[in-house]
Amino acid sequence: TQLLEQSPQFLSIQEGENLTVYCNSSSVFSSLQWYRQEPGEGPVLLVTVVTGGEVKKLKRLTFQFGDARKDSSLHITAAQPGDTGLYLCAGARGGNKLVFGAGTILRVKS
Amino acid sequence: DTGVSQDPRHKITKRGQNVTFRCDPISEHNRLYWYRQTLGQGPEFLTYFQNEAQLEKSRLLSDRFSAERPKGSFSTLEIQRTEQGDSAMYLCASSPPGREYNEQFFGPGTRLTVL
Repeated sequence: TQLLEQSPQFLSIQEGENLTVYCNSSSVFSSLQWYRQEPGEGPVLLVTVVTGGEVKKLKRLTFQFGDARKDSSLHITAAQPGDTGLYLCAGARGGNKLVFGAGTILRVKS
Repeated sequence: DTGVSQDPRHKITKRGQNVTFRCDPISEHNRLYWYRQTLGQGPEFLTYFQNEAQLEKSRLLSDRFSAERPKGSFSTLEIQRTEQGDSAMYLCASSPPGREYNEQFFGPGTRLTVL
């Protein structure tokens, strides 16, 4: 059983569409990070959210941390083929390790 | 400023052989982590160093696995008597001192294939 559940597992959309991916847990996290990973490479950090209810924007990407710090969402506006990749959320619970979800595979078709 | 580097990027070995991977963290990062990632899954924590001290180990890290960070800079992960189930991407990450929250920066990984 994953501590962090990500949905959907797969998403295939056309260029220009909007999408949202979700990261849910029954546990509280002190911080939550979103990463993007391409095949054969390591995850690249996109953002860290720390405060419940926090919203952060990174160009066309909007990240939100739930009020109770148990869940998060990533919204992409006007997706582009370059957004294709595996999106991972990872939570810290005050210790030193990160707990990862299984990821959402996004494919944006041109 | 260079990121986390790992060597080799790919390793193919036969079952029963020993393998060693190296990780060079970002300069000034005193915390270093090893994770393992299998196909279709997110990374799973293996072990954590603060400077040269190994402070946490996952139960995933069987007695065939050993990690070191002798001088508090680079780290090595050794797998003895490899098994086919060890095939995975081995990821190293580092984080700087003094951060209130645990923000980790990953290397490109070492892909291990055990035949």
